[in-house]
Amino acid sequence: NAGVTQTPKFQVLKTGQSMTLQCAQDMNHEYMSWYRQDPGMGLRLIHYSVGAGITDQGEVPNGYNVSRSTTEDFPLRLLSAAPSQTSVYFCASSREGGEKLFFGSGTQLSVL
Amino acid sequence: GESVGLHLPTLSVQEGDNSIINCAYSNSASDYFIWYKQESGKGPQFIIDIRSNMDKRQGQRVTVLLNKTVKHLSLQIAATQPGDSAVYFCAERAYNQGGKLIFGQGTELSVKP
Repeated sequence: NAGVTQTPKFQVLKTGQSMTLQCAQDMNHEYMSWYRQDPGMGLRLIHYSVGAGITDQGEVPNGYNVSRSTTEDFPLRLLSAAPSQTSVYFCASSREGGEKLFFGSGTQLSVL
Repeated sequence: GESVGLHLPTLSVQEGDNSIINCAYSNSASDYFIWYKQESGKGPQFIIDIRSNMDKRQGQRVTVLLNKTVKHLSLQIAATQPGDSAVYFCAERAYNQGGKLIFGQGTELSVKP
């Protein structure tokens, strides 16, 4: 099993550009989530999904959209990138919500 | 508000010594705790977990201790190795907060050869 796969690993955007961070898991996990990690701020939950077709907001959802059309995939969309969205983004999944999370290797995003 | 926090932001130990990383929590409704290790440039990696009906759990070279009386969690690493150098996070699950995992800020462990 590959576990949780994130692409790309690095991305540079200009302010106002849009992009999608990809996340896929092959563990048949129902729960998937996106976090951002900033220095001194720990991991903050952006959006999460408890199953295909179901998504909900986390702690810091503004400026991001998600969808969950399949169990395997959970893409994160930045609609109009802002410098404040410069961060490292992690996708994670678990068998169900509240259980131990398996993390991807992260996407380092810089918005200029 | 209630949160997970760490006593020490940085910890430096000599190779071969034992390491103890501490975590305080304030939510009495937390029933599940996890320790993660994050190496530079990588995602957090699960180390060990413990449920609130236990006070100790052991893994390979790691032990997690839970003291519910004082709301304290610790991770003990035996015979610390250079490969243990990383940031360690604790996370808690509180059933009165939707059952989501809440992460602490992290402690950086540095192992001196």
